[in-house]
Amino acid sequence: GQQLNQSPQSMFIQEGEDVSMNCTSSSIFNTWLWYKQEPGEGPVLLIALYKAGELTSNGRLTAQFGITRKDSFLNISASIPSDVGIYFCAGQPRQGGSEKLVFGKGTKLTVNP
Amino acid sequence: DSGVTQTPKHLITATGQRVTLRCSPRSGDLSVYWYQQSLDQGLQFLIQYYNGEERAKGNILERFSAQQFPDLHSELNLSSLELGDSALYFCASSGGPRQPQHFGDGTRLSIL
Repeated sequence: GQQLNQSPQSMFIQEGEDVSMNCTSSSIFNTWLWYKQEPGEGPVLLIALYKAGELTSNGRLTAQFGITRKDSFLNISASIPSDVGIYFCAGQPRQGGSEKLVFGKGTKLTVNP
Repeated sequence: DSGVTQTPKHLITATGQRVTLRCSPRSGDLSVYWYQQSLDQGLQFLIQYYNGEERAKGNILERFSAQQFPDLHSELNLSSLELGDSALYFCASSGGPRQPQHFGDGTRLSIL
């Protein structure tokens, strides 16, 4: 079945640093999404990408839908303490018009003030 | 606030029991999705309903079932519970195939 390989698993950074994380797959996806999850809460949508090559920003966050449709990355610039959480990539597989989301295992981000 | 409401927030029960988890989607969203989040498996898709009809099935056990009612709220029924069913169960809703899914805050199920 489809799998998303998300890396890194965890990151420990200083406040003000930039962060980059990515997801890759052997399968093609129609849509890529990035979510953030904090303890006791559900995943919160950060960015949604619908076209290969698309580059989208949301404040200090920037994400891209890879040209091959098999990868995506998320960058966070000038990190702040409230960026702490687990970031998940998710993709909607191309085959069968499926609307289900396949999730990566997450990147746990720790920001030291 | 995503607009997706899940109840209860926590459930503690014993093996062999049956529970019902409830989800109210965002206003106007016709699609409801259920996911299970566990430490070893991560977030896994269980089932999708669209306007009352089952649309897609994922890795959902036969002991689990769901339905979506005319008012569009959905319920996930888990029966003959086992220790391994302990997990977070999330509901998400969307307005259509090209619309992003928005998640509720989940129900934490603990089986003792």
